Amino acid sequence: SQQGEEDPQALSIQEGENATMNCSYKTSINNLQWYRQNSGRGLVHLILIRSNEREKHSGRLRVTLDTSKKSSSLLITASRAADTASYFCATDPSGGSNYKLTFGKGTLLTVNP
Amino acid sequence: GAGVSQSPRYKVAKRGQDVALRCDPISGHVSLFWYQQALGQGPEFLTYFQNEAQLDKSGLPSDRFFAERPEGSVSTLKIQRTQQEDSAVYLCASIPGRAGGTDTQYFGPGTRLTVL
Repeated sequence: SQQGEEDPQALSIQEGENATMNCSYKTSINNLQWYRQNSGRGLVHLILIRSNEREKHSGRLRVTLDTSKKSSSLLITASRAADTASYFCATDPSGGSNYKLTFGKGTLLTVNP
Repeated sequence: GAGVSQSPRYKVAKRGQDVALRCDPISGHVSLFWYQQALGQGPEFLTYFQNEAQLDKSGLPSDRFFAERPEGSVSTLKIQRTQQEDSAVYLCASIPGRAGGTDTQYFGPGTRLTVL
């Protein structure tokens, strides 16, 4: 079963704009990760945020985590056409089996040139 | 290449046929995972290997699904008597050490299985 739920399901923006995607999850977690998947390709890890962190940056990416609301957001600034992909959040549960990533359904981002 | 590779990339099977999907993890990676990704969904965990030991197979949907990693490197996911609901992309991922939750999983390109 899917743990996370991303919204929106699809997002279309113009190159140069910022894109924000949200993820909600259900159970307590150790970490939350964001992955990107280009059409027909495997997933590429973008960023990991630990449960005791509130915000993290990596290049044009900014991730926030609110464990009280069980939610996270991914912001991509100054988007490029190459950012067009599906974006998934993935959580690993606190406690045992913490290797067992649970993914959301993803947000399909389209960046128009 | 140095990444995770999977073969075949595409597989079409008639219902009832057996299929075998192969994963070559990054050389030396201890842990290997299989996921199933249905159309429009996120990947769902199937099974986890640490070297040759299958430590978790809780995600395998039925006893028609079987995975092995006999020498602790290449892994094969076998699906017997395929059904239409088995149609999905099967993803393999690996990490360098024992899985511990903070690891970046390195994914292969997946095998897209279509059962007619």
